[in-house]
Amino acid sequence: SAVISQKPSRDICQRGTSLTIQCQVDSQVTMMFWYRQQPGQSLTLIATANQGSEATYESGFVIDKFPISRPNLTFSTLTVSNMSPEDSSIYLCSVQVQSETQYFGPGTRLLVL
Amino acid sequence: AQTVTQSQPEMSVQEAETVTLSCTYDTSESDYYLFWYKQPPSRQMILVIRQEAYKQQNATENRFSVNFQKAAKSFSLKISDSQLGDAAMYFCAYRSTFYGGSQGNLIFGKGTKLSVKP
Repeated sequence: SAVISQKPSRDICQRGTSLTIQCQVDSQVTMMFWYRQQPGQSLTLIATANQGSEATYESGFVIDKFPISRPNLTFSTLTVSNMSPEDSSIYLCSVQVQSETQYFGPGTRLLVL
Repeated sequence: AQTVTQSQPEMSVQEAETVTLSCTYDTSESDYYLFWYKQPPSRQMILVIRQEAYKQQNATENRFSVNFQKAAKSFSLKISDSQLGDAAMYFCAYRSTFYGGSQGNLIFGKGTKLSVKP
């Protein structure tokens, strides 16, 4: 398995501002994922972030709005840019380990006013 | 494209009883992985159990077991001797064995909210 931490755990932001979420893993992993979970909903994949390559974004998500960095095999950041109230969600990072299983971080709860 | 369906938005079980959560999926692939995740109010997604499609034997983890029916594309979760700590949202998820782009990501159902009555 893997131990994953996220910062911040929660935040309240004003519309038009940006927030960067950090994801730290206790071991080196190739594949990292960023998901969004809107209130009362299931998880939706935002992008896949593999070290050494550009992030791959899902339909409906663009790099200008959700830029991602993956500087090494244990760390990634997701930025939510120019926020609006519709961006209020839980943002989760996950990693895939050798057992083909994904493990999740504790999530970042974002409220945009 | 693959889809995952959980037809029970909410379920309730008495403590110490058994409950089964349903999940069906649609895919044209022959090899894949299936998972059940639990999300308590703390929002942490916790892996409950996983199943490889090429294995006929149903996976078991302590009080949790699955009924995997590949031909019917069904993957139900049985929780035995339910405990108060089992109360959570349960998500069924599918993952392709193919890599490339985002094809290794999880596809989630909408979830089933499980309540456990004392």
